[in-house]
Amino acid sequence: EVQLVQSGAEVKKPGESLRISCTASGYSFNTYWIGWVRQMPGKGLEWMGIIYPDHSDTTYSPSFQGQVTISVDKSISTAYLQWSSLRASDTAMYYCARLRYASGSTYYMDVWGKGTTVTVSS
Amino acid sequence: QSALTQPPSASGSPGQSVTISCTGTNSDVGGYNYVSWYQQHPGKAPKLMIYEVSKRPSGVPDRFSGSKSGNTASLTVSGLQAEDEADYYCSSYAGSMIGVFGTGTKVTVL
Repeated sequence: EVQLVQSGAEVKKPGESLRISCTASGYSFNTYWIGWVRQMPGKGLEWMGIIYPDHSDTTYSPSFQGQVTISVDKSISTAYLQWSSLRASDTAMYYCARLRYASGSTYYMDVWGKGTTVTVSS
Repeated sequence: QSALTQPPSASGSPGQSVTISCTGTNSDVGGYNYVSWYQQHPGKAPKLMIYEVSKRPSGVPDRFSGSKSGNTASLTVSGLQAEDEADYYCSSYAGSMIGVFGTGTKVTVL
């Protein structure tokens, strides 16, 4: 079964750092893009960025460029979303998803993790 | 990239049809046939319902259908059922490897 398992809920203080994870199983991790999506409380989905595990090629939405870092560890089929200094406004649910992308052919997220809740509060 | 525009809400009685619009620009919806739709029940992760404008993944009922005309894509749910009550989001490729989501539509089954 293809699945993405995300790390557990986090409660942090402003200014702290954080890394959340997304571990894939049931498919060839290296050859599918992984994306991250933010959903703030009571709000809609926001596309954050994507990474291609095989060579760590990464693209960020302009809204998130410089605010977060996306990375992978191919040896354990895991993608990460990282903050160096959290703000209260980072409080949200964060989803990872497998992105089906082929240039000139297709682009959609077909498998989703259950989400990681991040709460930032002093 | 600005979010694609969806109506905040839509509703219908069981058995009826509801159509949700998703309006973008020539740089996203109008420029590519890479519109997808996601269903999200409260407290749950999004679920892919439609990809490449009108294709349904295995397991998605054929009551769900998608289309596109110009810069506007649409999702139609026919034969509404109680379990269709959820939030629905469109998404489109926007070039340069970047995607964009719609603002979301809450579908209520009356």
